[in-house]
Amino acid sequence: EVQLVESGGGLVQPGGSLRLSCAASGFIFRSYWMSWVRQAPGKGLEWVASINQDGSEKFYVDSVKGRFTVSRDTAKNSLYLQMNSLRGADTAVYYCARVGALWLNSAWQPYYFDYWGQGTLVTVSS
Amino acid sequence: SYDLTQPPSVSVSPGQTASIACSGDKLGHRYACWYQQKPGQSPVLVIYEDRKRPSGIPERFSGVNSGNTATLTISATQSSDEADYYCQARDNNTTIFGGGTRLTVL
Repeated sequence: EVQLVESGGGLVQPGGSLRLSCAASGFIFRSYWMSWVRQAPGKGLEWVASINQDGSEKFYVDSVKGRFTVSRDTAKNSLYLQMNSLRGADTAVYYCARVGALWLNSAWQPYYFDYWGQGTLVTVSS
Repeated sequence: SYDLTQPPSVSVSPGQTASIACSGDKLGHRYACWYQQKPGQSPVLVIYEDRKRPSGIPERFSGVNSGNTATLTISATQSSDEADYYCQARDNNTTIFGGGTRLTVL
């Protein structure tokens, strides 16, 4: 059974930092792209970042570029999100998600999110 | 940037068919995916690659994508289908979600 368990959320002041973790199990972690998706209170879903299987490719939504860093540790089957210079607009539930791939342009491309964790709440407030 | 637009809300009577649209420029040239999110729960993938259902998703859920619009259809709608539904596509190396549609089963 695929399981994704996030941790590390909490209350942080504006300008502060936080590191989220996601423990993965039930599948071959090193074979999948992984992503972070967030949801502000009462709002819709927003993709935040994605990382490929060996960590050599990373992509971010514009609003977090230069502030957030996604990483992974294959030995620990874990995904991370280092969040710096946090703002009120970053307040959200952060979900870890496994990425499914589609065959596009002669290559497997990360495309959809087939498994999600339960989420961890990050609140940025003074 | 690429945008996906969904109606904020759709209502349906139990047993009837619900259709939720997602529009974007030439969306039919991309693959569309759909997620269901019930209150207090994580999203669940219900359709990927326009029309494919993950294992465990009832056949009542179906999808099509053509032109500028992808559509999620739920036939014989049940009260348990009441939820927020999000469409999703990919643009270059980024992922876009629609704003979400609240499906109410009256």
